[in-house]
Amino acid sequence: KDQVFQPSTVASSEGAVVEIFCNHSVSNAYNFFWYLHFPGCAPRLLVKGSKPSQQGRYNMTYERFSSSLLILQVREADAAVYYCAVCTNAGKSTFGDGTTLTVKP
Amino acid sequence: EPEVTQTPSHQVTQMGQEVILRCVPISNHLYFYWYRQILGQKVEFLVSFYNNEISEKSEIFDDQFSVERPDGSNFTLKIRSTKLEDSAMYFCASSVRLAGDNEQFFGPGTRLTVL
Repeated sequence: KDQVFQPSTVASSEGAVVEIFCNHSVSNAYNFFWYLHFPGCAPRLLVKGSKPSQQGRYNMTYERFSSSLLILQVREADAAVYYCAVCTNAGKSTFGDGTTLTVKP
Repeated sequence: EPEVTQTPSHQVTQMGQEVILRCVPISNHLYFYWYRQILGQKVEFLVSFYNNEISEKSEIFDDQFSVERPDGSNFTLKIRSTKLEDSAMYFCASSVRLAGDNEQFFGPGTRLTVL
């Protein structure tokens, strides 16, 4: 069964680098996508790819079956749910359960 | 900046009733998706749609569900006879391309409550 695994919670302090790890068992996986989700709003893509990549404060590592999202200089406003998703070439995305990030001031 | 819109933002219905959830994808996008998120659970893929056909669907997307692009702009999800367990947030998404490098843009969601 296609599954994506990520920790349910991660805690950090302001200014730190946060790492959220994700691994999967998705057949024919092509890409990782990392989304930020504030409840009540649309999930927003942070970073994606089939190789390491960076968008602003967001870095993504890439291995065939795993990826990490690194958030640099984390702020209180970054507290949200972060989803890892794995996409196949057929366009099917399998999401993880989401990681709730808490940030202490 | 173009965005995906969804209506209504909240729909309340009685069990057994039909509901239609509406989405307006970004105008130059060709691929469309529905996801759902039951309260407290993860986002789950329902279906992808391209060229007026379903490209892929999950095991959740049974005969009670259907999708349609009735005109050039709307993309709809119909649930024929709603059940209590259909209560969830339903997200529509669209993308320019399907294969691989497809950044999906999500709408804000429709909260469906089945009583």
